[in-house]
Amino acid sequence: AQKVTQAQTEISVVEKEDVTLDCVYETRDTTYYLFWYKQPPSGELVFLIRRNSFDEQNEISGRYSWNFQKSTSSFNFTITASQVVDSAVYFCALIKGTGNQFYFGTGTSLTVIP
Amino acid sequence: DGGITQSPKYLFRKEGQNVTLSCEQNLNHDAMYWYRQDPGQGLRLIYYSQIVNDFQKGDIAEGYSVSREKKESFPLTVTSAQKNPTAFYLCASSHYRGRDEKLFFGSGTQLSVL
Repeated sequence: AQKVTQAQTEISVVEKEDVTLDCVYETRDTTYYLFWYKQPPSGELVFLIRRNSFDEQNEISGRYSWNFQKSTSSFNFTITASQVVDSAVYFCALIKGTGNQFYFGTGTSLTVIP
Repeated sequence: DGGITQSPKYLFRKEGQNVTLSCEQNLNHDAMYWYRQDPGQGLRLIYYSQIVNDFQKGDIAEGYSVSREKKESFPLTVTSAQKNPTAFYLCASSHYRGRDEKLFFGSGTQLSVL
């Protein structure tokens, strides 16, 4: 069975601080895909990144970076120099290579205080 | 612009009433999904469909029904059998397997019971 755990329910940081959102996953498949989505107050989930299980290279996109470590089954998300616009709920998700269901974590609510 | 349109944004249901949530996409995606979001519980899959006239139950299908008569449309009916329907409902779509598979989401429908 697949499972995604986001242990941090709520996080508050002061603007310009760095923050890391944790994601731990479980799967027996060797081929799978991991995702991060952002859900702002408007409600629509916005895609941030997709990573396949064979690509452990970390990725940076502006103030966002992702650290994928298969050895610890983690796919953590770091926001550098956080801004108020980063306030949202962030979801980590997984789909196995031969599957047809996305498995979501319970989300981490991030509040950036000005 | 391509995207997913959900309507209505807010919906109220009376006891014993069936209500239908609309989801339309113009992304030419094969697969469509319905998720239910409750506070602190993340996204749970209700139903999904990978091709027209075919759909599969997700983890919490009881009390819900769907149809997929057109590729663009995947309406969800919340029946009177669903005893706790108050939640935020998200529709999503994606390409078929093997391509750049990620979920695109609509802006959601908040369903409440009167």
